Amino acid sequence: DGGITQSPKYLFRKEGQNVTLSCEQNLNHDAMYWYRQDPGQGLRLIYYSQIVNDFQKGDIAEGYSVSREKKESFPLTVTSAQKNPTAFYLCASSRYRVLVNEQFFGPGTRLTVL
Amino acid sequence: KQEVTQIPAALSVPEGENLVLNCSFTDSAIYNLQWFRQDPGKGLTSLLLIQSSQREQTSGRLNASLDKSSGRSTLYIAASQPGDSATYLCAVSGLSNFGNEKLTFGTGTRLTIIP
Repeated sequence: DGGITQSPKYLFRKEGQNVTLSCEQNLNHDAMYWYRQDPGQGLRLIYYSQIVNDFQKGDIAEGYSVSREKKESFPLTVTSAQKNPTAFYLCASSRYRVLVNEQFFGPGTRLTVL
Repeated sequence: KQEVTQIPAALSVPEGENLVLNCSFTDSAIYNLQWFRQDPGKGLTSLLLIQSSQREQTSGRLNASLDKSSGRSTLYIAASQPGDSATYLCAVSGLSNFGNEKLTFGTGTRLTIIP
């Protein structure tokens, strides 16, 4: 089955630690995205990548980093510089450009800072 | 700056009724509009995508309309079922102030179908 997988489903982090969230897709999509979802707020874009070895900052990139070494994979690292990292993180992909193509989402990772 | 609003934030209706969810956006320069469903603690499931040149899209009991000039979209659900209970989000695609492509999401309408 084609789709997007995210791991882990739940993640706990101590303050001061970096953590990496995994996102893999087998849809052969070029573009991948990371969003953050907080209660009562719409999804906010953290980073996106339209092609391998290239990525762009979204609206709230501070304290996050990404890499895109393979088409299928787009890991997100939440660094200790992120002031309020507790949130639900969603990875998405689209065939190419988000302007014209449908966007598909993974099941999400819930990160809690202890 | 694009803003997307969904009102009401929550809605409860008896099973079997038809219902309409609303989405409004401030900048009509969009490329498409997408409706999603989100179950508690889960990711988003794409329901319908309407390109800016289209007026509506249908999938089963769902019908989405788009009026770009007035900045509005509606999602019509016919013959509602308890399984339709979820949060419904709309998102519009366009260019950010920096020329980057992006989706802007509303905060969603939490729908409860009462058996």
